[in-house]
Parts: sequence; C-alpha cells; structure tokens
Amino acid sequence: AQKVTQAQTEISVVEKEDVTLDCVYETRDTTYYLFWYKQPPSGELVFLIRRNSFDEQNEISGRYSWNFQKSTSSFNFTITASQVVDSAVYFCALSEAGSNYQLIWGAGTKLIIKP
Amino acid sequence: DAGVIQSPRHEVTEMGQEVTLRCKPISGHDYLFWYRQTMMRGLELLIYFNNNVPIDDSGMPEDRFSAKMPNASFSTLKIQPSEPRDSAVYFCASSLGRDRLYEQYFGPGTRLTVT
Repeated sequence: AQKVTQAQTEISVVEKEDVTLDCVYETRDTTYYLFWYKQPPSGELVFLIRRNSFDEQNEISGRYSWNFQKSTSSFNFTITASQVVDSAVYFCALSEAGSNYQLIWGAGTKLIIKP
Repeated sequence: DAGVIQSPRHEVTEMGQEVTLRCKPISGHDYLFWYRQTMMRGLELLIYFNNNVPIDDSGMPEDRFSAKMPNASFSTLKIQPSEPRDSAVYFCASSLGRDRLYEQYFGPGTRLTVT
C-alpha cells in the first residue's frame, strides 16, 4: 500500500501567487520522520526539511512553510510569493523508525511557476 | 564542503556492456545510499552502507547489480551485463551518524542510457 500520497501531479501558478503542495502519509509507527525534497530541472535532489513525529510545530523558512498535522496525517508545504526559481518537482518522504532508515517517497508534485 | 560527487554524469552504453557508477560521499558521513529514479517507478532505494558495510541490499533488482564501498570516501555501483530497462538516473546520497541519518544529501546523479 502506498504510504506517501502526493495527489497533485502538477501545479501551475503565476509568479507571486502562494501555492500549497499536499502530502498525506500512512504509518502505524509512533516514531517516524517526514521530509520534503526539491528536484529542480537540473536534476539534483535538495533536502528542504525534516520533521519528526513528536514535533507538530509548524516551521517557516523564508518563503517556505510547512504544516504538520498528525490528526489528518498530513505534512503540507506552502510557498509564499512564488518565484520562477521555485519551479521543480517536490517530493514528500516518510521514514519509519523500524524501517532500516529507508525513505518512502511520494510520487512527487511538479510545480510550474509562470512569469 | 564539496557535497556528494558522482561520476560520470551521463553514460550511454550498449546492451550487454558493463557499467560502473562512482560516488564520493560527503567527508565524515558514515551512511551511503544508492537510489534509482525512473518515471515509472519513481525513486527506489537499491542499497545502503554504514561504515562501508552493506546493511540492506533488498532493493537491488537482480544479480546483475552489485555495489561496493572499499573505503569511507568511495563507492561503486556496477551493472553487468546492462540492459535497456536499466536506463534511469542513479543517485548516490550520504548522511551523518545515527541521529541525523534521515537527512540524506544527494549527488547530482548519473543518467544512464542503455541502447
């Protein structure tokens, strides 16, 4: 069963709009970690954030913010005032404490920011 | 820090040939991961090492694939013989220590095309 669902295959917005990328996960572990990675057109994977299951505080880093809600098993990512350089594929991932540290990846959301 | 280094960046080879992909992890990182990314299957973990020792190779697709880590600063992924279905982007990632294990830093990838 898929454990990380990114239902949005592709999102296209105009520059300066806010955009939220959804991530829903499934796990039976009480200890787990959630991640977001960015894959720009150049192809490399860039680590953005890690959140552990005991820390439901939302996080803000510049124009990026993350909303972790255990009640809905979601870990959504919002970009405020989007820029063309934000265009990339964004992956959400889950690692369960008993999983030998494997990252379970979502299918990714392709974000297109139009000038 | 130089980041994770992979070579070659692009490899085109004919079916049946041996292919060797190389990775230099971030200095001081003691975990190393090999992933494969395709459109059909997304990101797949192939194998990972801790202190140069293979820990989990359950993701290695078949016996044609092998990976080694002779020392802390070098790893190889070999495919012999290669097949067209092996065409993919292969990523190497590294991470530091148990507490920060989940934060994996990726190399730029090797795009392999088998004709």
